Amino acid sequence: DTGVSQNPRHKITKRGQNVTFRCDPISEHNRLYWYRQTLGQGPEFLTYFQNEAQLEKSRLLSDRFSAERPKGSFSTLEIQRTEQGDSAMYLCASSLEASHLGGYTFGSGTRLTVV
Amino acid sequence: GNSVTQMEGPVTLSEEAFLTINCTYTATGYPSLFWYVQYPGEGLQLLLKATKADDKGSNKGFEATYRKETTSFHLEKGSVQVSDSAVYFCARQNTGNQFYFGTGTSLTVIP
Repeated sequence: DTGVSQNPRHKITKRGQNVTFRCDPISEHNRLYWYRQTLGQGPEFLTYFQNEAQLEKSRLLSDRFSAERPKGSFSTLEIQRTEQGDSAMYLCASSLEASHLGGYTFGSGTRLTVV
Repeated sequence: GNSVTQMEGPVTLSEEAFLTINCTYTATGYPSLFWYVQYPGEGLQLLLKATKADDKGSNKGFEATYRKETTSFHLEKGSVQVSDSAVYFCARQNTGNQFYFGTGTSLTVIP
């Protein structure tokens, strides 16, 4: 297992376009998290799944954002009608339910640039 | 609230200097506290953690002690190396599942 994998590493898109990112967690981890990190800031929580169920969503996750984890394995994060303010690093993390306290493993992130 | 405040950077030190990066948290509940490190071009990595008051987390020569009386979790290292150059994030986690991160402190160690 190579850890948490995120694709693509970089994405440049024009304002108004839709983008989709993928996260492949560590295979035995049943929890999956999405965070967003803007320049000069720490990561901010977006949403979290336990298996295929989306259990928490931040108010940062506007209706243009949707996340899925259909089979309880990989997850996708889609942003519709992108805006320049969506430019950020999107981080995925996974953990085992029993060890969620600090047991996160983060991926290297997808850097989105909206032009 | 659930905020974490850490000292602003950037911090530049000479190799073998002593490092302190301050971190304080709001005293809501009984959070677990963490330091994460982000090396250039890489994802966040857990550096150390402490889950209750007076616990000391340590890893790779770094230490931090959970001090409830001062609501602090300062990161220290006695002798930094060039390879320690990275961005360091202090974070808290409540009994829920969210992490609350500080804004990060960039450290550059020069030979």
